[in-house]
Amino acid sequence: EPEVTQTPSHQVTQMGQEVILRCVPISNHLYFYWYRQILGQKVEFLVSFYNNEISEKSEIFDDQFSVERPDGSNFTLKIRSTKLEDSAMYFCASSAQGGSGNIQYFGAGTRLSVL
Amino acid sequence: AQSVTQLGSHVSVSEGALVLLRCNYSSSVPPYLFWYVQYPNQGLQLLLKYTSAATLVKGINGFEAEFKKSETSFHLTKPSAHMSDAAEYFCAVSESGGNTPLVFGKGTRLSVIA
Repeated sequence: EPEVTQTPSHQVTQMGQEVILRCVPISNHLYFYWYRQILGQKVEFLVSFYNNEISEKSEIFDDQFSVERPDGSNFTLKIRSTKLEDSAMYFCASSAQGGSGNIQYFGAGTRLSVL
Repeated sequence: AQSVTQLGSHVSVSEGALVLLRCNYSSSVPPYLFWYVQYPNQGLQLLLKYTSAATLVKGINGFEAEFKKSETSFHLTKPSAHMSDAAEYFCAVSESGGNTPLVFGKGTRLSVIA
């Protein structure tokens, strides 16, 4: 069964460093998303991406964050200068085009620890 | 704005007992509702979804959920718990289906006791 793949599974970084979280969405999907879950809190939407541009973003997704689809398969989330409060589990998801009730398929997540 | 409340961060049931995980939502438009499950070290997997068709929705692994508009609820049930059901369960709502952002509840961790 096709799946969303995220790497690495765990990323440790120093405060102020840049990190790139990588995702390989399901191959025929056209909508891509990033969510995050701070320990003990809700899964929160960060950003959605369609047709090579951001389609929607939350207030969490400030100038420190960016997304990119550098080639036909990868979808990345970059955090330019990490803060302690960026420590969280980051989930990538993808969905097919069109129709209501389309399912978002999630990866296993990347746990980001900012020290 | 949409929101989801899951009552009980942790629910414990005996094997073979009824599973009931509660979810209440708030939405200004007819909602699309989802239940996802997360097993340890895995991604979120869709259990079932409500998209304004039948109010009783059947999902995978014997789970079902009933949409009750008057109660703004979408509780998840399973008649008989199995050890393999132990996981984290998330209820989510969106405005117009799977291509719009999901708003999640905090999740409920289900433990199944032998």
